Amino acid sequence: ETGVTQTPRHLVMGMTNKKSLKCEQHLGHNAMYWYKQSAKKPLELMFVYNFKEQTENNSVPSRFSPECPNSSHLFLHLHTLQPEDSALYLCASSQDRRVNQPQHFGDGTRLSIL
Amino acid sequence: GESVGLHLPTLSVQEGDNSIINCAYSNSASDYFIWYKQESGKGPQFIIDIRSNMDKRQGQRVTVLLNKTVKHLSLQIAATQPGDSAVYFCAEIRGNYQLIWGAGTKLIIKP
Repeated sequence: ETGVTQTPRHLVMGMTNKKSLKCEQHLGHNAMYWYKQSAKKPLELMFVYNFKEQTENNSVPSRFSPECPNSSHLFLHLHTLQPEDSALYLCASSQDRRVNQPQHFGDGTRLSIL
Repeated sequence: GESVGLHLPTLSVQEGDNSIINCAYSNSASDYFIWYKQESGKGPQFIIDIRSNMDKRQGQRVTVLLNKTVKHLSLQIAATQPGDSAVYFCAEIRGNYQLIWGAGTKLIIKP
C-alpha cells in the first residue's frame, strides 16, 4: 500500500474524449505532483501544487488541466489529447514543496490514446 | 543541459551477489539525492536518500555513496534477491527544490 492512490489504473480514450485522472494521498502531505513517464525517458514533471496552490507548470499543453481542491486530492483533466500523450501518468506527494524530502508515488494511470 | 545520468541502462547480477548501480550528476550545487525503485506496473518507490553533507548512508541491505569530488552517486544492494529486479532511478534536488531524474537502470537478477 503506497499511501497514494490513483484511479483509474488504465484508460483508453479517443482524441476527442474528455476524461479525468484522480489522485488521493493519505499521508497528510501538502504538496502534490503530476508526472508523465514515457518509455526510455526520464520522468517529466508536469504540475506542482503546494498547499492547494499551483506553483509550477512545466510548459504543459493546455489539453492537460490540473485541479487541486484540497491537499489530499489532485485531478488531471484531459481533453483532445494526441497519440504522443500515451504514457504512464504518475501522481506523487511530499510533505512540502519547499523541503528536501522524498516524494511518494502512486502506481500511475496507464493512458492510451487511440 | 544539466542532468542526472546513469552509466548503464541494464545491469545483470547473479542472485546472492552484490549489485552496484551508478549515477553521475553534473550540478555541483545539488544538495540532496534520492534513489527510487520501480517495479513493473508500479510507481517509483523511495529506497534511500542522502544529503550533500554526507558521503555514505546505509539502509536495510542498501548503501548509498556520494562522491562530490567527481559528482558520482552509487547504490549498493547486498545479497541481491529476485525481488530486487526493477528499474532504479537516481534523482537530485537542487537549491530551488527542483527534482531532476535520471533515465533509469534496469536490474536483472540471474538465478
